[in-house]
Amino acid sequence: AQKITQTQPGMFVQEKEAVTLDCTYDTSDPSYGLFWYKQPSSGEMIFLIYQGSYDQQNATEGRYSLNFQKARKSANLVISASQLGDSAMYFCAMREEDFNKFYFGSGTKLNVKP
Amino acid sequence: DGGITQSPKYLFRKEGQNVTLSCEQNLNHDAMYWYRQDPGQGLRLIYYSQIVNDFQKGDIAEGYSVSREKKESFPLTVTSAQKNPTAFYLCASSTLRTPLAKNIQYFGAGTRLSVL
Repeated sequence: AQKITQTQPGMFVQEKEAVTLDCTYDTSDPSYGLFWYKQPSSGEMIFLIYQGSYDQQNATEGRYSLNFQKARKSANLVISASQLGDSAMYFCAMREEDFNKFYFGSGTKLNVKP
Repeated sequence: DGGITQSPKYLFRKEGQNVTLSCEQNLNHDAMYWYRQDPGQGLRLIYYSQIVNDFQKGDIAEGYSVSREKKESFPLTVTSAQKNPTAFYLCASSTLRTPLAKNIQYFGAGTRLSVL
């Protein structure tokens, strides 16, 4: 079974609008971390935001927020006020407590239109 | 500035040749990782290391080898046994504090490997 599922291969959003990128995960470990990364065309993976399984509040970092719904096992990334520089691939990832490795989704390509 | 340095940025391999990708970090992280990314795909784990002189195979280790002689360095060798090495290779590192699930992986800028 897929550990991380990103069902949107590509998305378009108008500049200055908000956009939600979907991520669902699968784990039986009670302790886990969820991460979002941005990969621009240059290739570098840039860490955006982290959510812990025991965190009571949704994580926020500037224009990024994570809509964490534990019962649904979803961890959607919300980007507010999109900018042209937000055009990139976005990857959702998960780290479990028992295994020292990450699981990555297949990514969502976001295009911000002027 | 603390970070992860990968070199070279571009690398070309001839048939039957071994090539080595460099990864150096000055973040004092215990764990280091190598990933392969094919066009339009996600990341696949090649090898990882939690401590000097120890490393474990990831999901696609065949045709690759690594060493971890220093905490700061985790070079990846793509051997001639890897028949389809053309890909983007990313090195990452993280702390190993408890809880493990909270440790963020940070990435280098990557190396693009092509076969001549």
